[in-house]
Amino acid sequence: GAGVSQSPSNKVTEKGKDVELRCDPISGHTALYWYRQSLGQGLEFLIYFQGNSAPDKSGLPSDRFSAERTGGSVSTLTIQRTQQEDSAVYLCASSLDRGAHNEQFFGPGTRLTVL
Amino acid sequence: AQSVTQPDIHITVSEGASLELRCNYSYGATPYLFWYVQSPGQGLQLLLKYFSGDTLVQGIKGFEAEFKRSQSSFNLRKPSVHWSDAAEYFCAVGMDSSYKLIFGSGTRLLVRP
Repeated sequence: GAGVSQSPSNKVTEKGKDVELRCDPISGHTALYWYRQSLGQGLEFLIYFQGNSAPDKSGLPSDRFSAERTGGSVSTLTIQRTQQEDSAVYLCASSLDRGAHNEQFFGPGTRLTVL
Repeated sequence: AQSVTQPDIHITVSEGASLELRCNYSYGATPYLFWYVQSPGQGLQLLLKYFSGDTLVQGIKGFEAEFKRSQSSFNLRKPSVHWSDAAEYFCAVGMDSSYKLIFGSGTRLLVRP
């Protein structure tokens, strides 16, 4: 596909369970971002990957959140021991290169509901 | 710290009417400015962006925005709204020294038939 894809589109889980969210960026894009969009809020930056460089994890809200990017392509965001406040839409974006002037292309998001 | 304010949470306009969505930012230098649109169940789509030069920028779907340095604003406009424009609109700011975008909290546009 030509765009950023994310799976699953919806995820309902019970409090305390672990979840994995997947992002397939646009082929050839070296930069990948994860954002969280809570109800009525803007997008909150979570983590950034650029090529083989160490990721910028400064936006991760707690140590229950982690992410990896394998082979410079697919990324997985993992939330351990989910809490109700983790309920949100998790958006992934990719761009051709680093730098704010590079357009970020967004996936459709994963809506996470923690019961 | 850099910030973006979208003062209108909801705006309702009639189809065919003009539209202006407000965005104010806080940043010491000239930022990169973006407007994104998010339709229900969709990711964000870039409408337009400003980096430098002409302060009036044209985007897709008939939208335009004007950068006003003196007011630290980047308001989005459309002369005639279509029902398909109903969506949520996000203003975002980027900085030359960073890859991060700072997003406003969004404005939800409702279009009356």
